[in-house]
Amino acid sequence: GNSVTQMEGPVTLSEEAFLTINCTYTATGYPSLFWYVQYPGEGLQLLLKATKADDKGSNKGFEATYRKETTSFHLEKGSVQVSDSAVYFCALSLMNRDDKIIFGKGTRLHILP
Amino acid sequence: NAGVTQTPKFRVLKTGQSMTLLCAQDMNHEYMYWYRQDPGMGLRLIHYSVGEGTTAKGEVPDGYNVSRLKKQNFLLGLESAAPSQTSVYFCASTDSWTEAFFGQGTRLTVV
Repeated sequence: GNSVTQMEGPVTLSEEAFLTINCTYTATGYPSLFWYVQYPGEGLQLLLKATKADDKGSNKGFEATYRKETTSFHLEKGSVQVSDSAVYFCALSLMNRDDKIIFGKGTRLHILP
Repeated sequence: NAGVTQTPKFRVLKTGQSMTLLCAQDMNHEYMYWYRQDPGMGLRLIHYSVGEGTTAKGEVPDGYNVSRLKKQNFLLGLESAAPSQTSVYFCASTDSWTEAFFGQGTRLTVV
């Protein structure tokens, strides 16, 4: 079946550190891949997405590249800020009508000033 | 420009009471979902719908029922609330391969 596995948190970093949150997937077909972010007390919102192999999604300094050969979509940011503290969810969706969006379990990120 | 709207935003129930959570979307999306999120946890899918008049069970459906009589609305019902159903409930909508849009959540406490 379809699934998403992301690294467990919490992840604690100092401000300006480099961030990587790993995400790998299993899918029957060719999924679109997403990263969502959830700030405290809020719902999830889309951070970035990629719809085909080798695409790079980017937003707010975050990047992720759709790697079909390694079935991965790792989230990276070169210099994190305290305001990046949140929970990050990797997700996939397929184009088939009966397939639903699949989320990873989420990774909590703490950035220390 | 409402997107996904959940009502109510907060509710306190006594054990055994019933209630209905409403999710409304104005984007003409086919897919709608109900999730619960417990403190420090990820999302757990309760029920979902792939179109008007259809519903399907997610990973934690027990104690909940849903209906999708109109395409824009997805209702989540608790027939007899239990303390274990204390959680934050999120609704989302999407069109198959596009991004999902989430509501702001309903914080439910069952005492």
